[in-house]
Amino acid sequence: AQSVAQPEDQVNVAEGNPLTVKCTYSVSGNPYLFWYVQYPNRGLQFLLKYITGDNLVKGSYGFEAEFNKSQTSFHLKKPSALVSDSALYFCAVSPNQAGTALIFGKGTTLSVSS
Amino acid sequence: DAGVIQSPRHEVTEMGQEVTLRCKPISGHDYLFWYRQTMMRGLELLIYFNNNVPIDDSGMPEDRFSAKMPNASFSTLKIQPSEPRDSAVYFCASSLGLAKTQYFGPGTRLLVL
Repeated sequence: AQSVAQPEDQVNVAEGNPLTVKCTYSVSGNPYLFWYVQYPNRGLQFLLKYITGDNLVKGSYGFEAEFNKSQTSFHLKKPSALVSDSALYFCAVSPNQAGTALIFGKGTTLSVSS
Repeated sequence: DAGVIQSPRHEVTEMGQEVTLRCKPISGHDYLFWYRQTMMRGLELLIYFNNNVPIDDSGMPEDRFSAKMPNASFSTLKIQPSEPRDSAVYFCASSLGLAKTQYFGPGTRLLVL
């Protein structure tokens, strides 16, 4: 079955430190990969996506993600975390197959302490 | 662009009542999705439409749930009769293409007493 895994329910980092939110996937073919962020009482907001090309993708608010085909991973990273980055982060994958919508992970709560 | 618009933002109702949630997708988008988010089950895809036609409703939990898209700029999700376990945040999203970026509305927070 096609799936997306976010192995950590919560990630805690101190402000100014680098952060990583992990995502692995299991789909066939050449998927499209996405990261979304959800702030409290808000809808999901698109951060970045990988379609093809450079494995390092840069997105909004200084976030970036690295596509690793051999490890089937698409980890979200930021060199220096801000308290305002605290939110719920979702990884999503599109198998890029007819009739198959985005598959979302369960989400990882990022908490950045001051 | 105003983005995806959902109404109401909050709904409190009593068990057994009919609830109708509304969504206006981004103009020009050909896909519309309805999701439900709860603490226990996370984000669940309920149904999605392509050019106003329902394509996959396998996520609709039971017959009490129904969704329609009468035109390209409006969709409804109806629950009749509502039950306390339907309490959740319901999101609508739209995209230009199935595999493309989905844009989410602010959600409707539903509480069924």
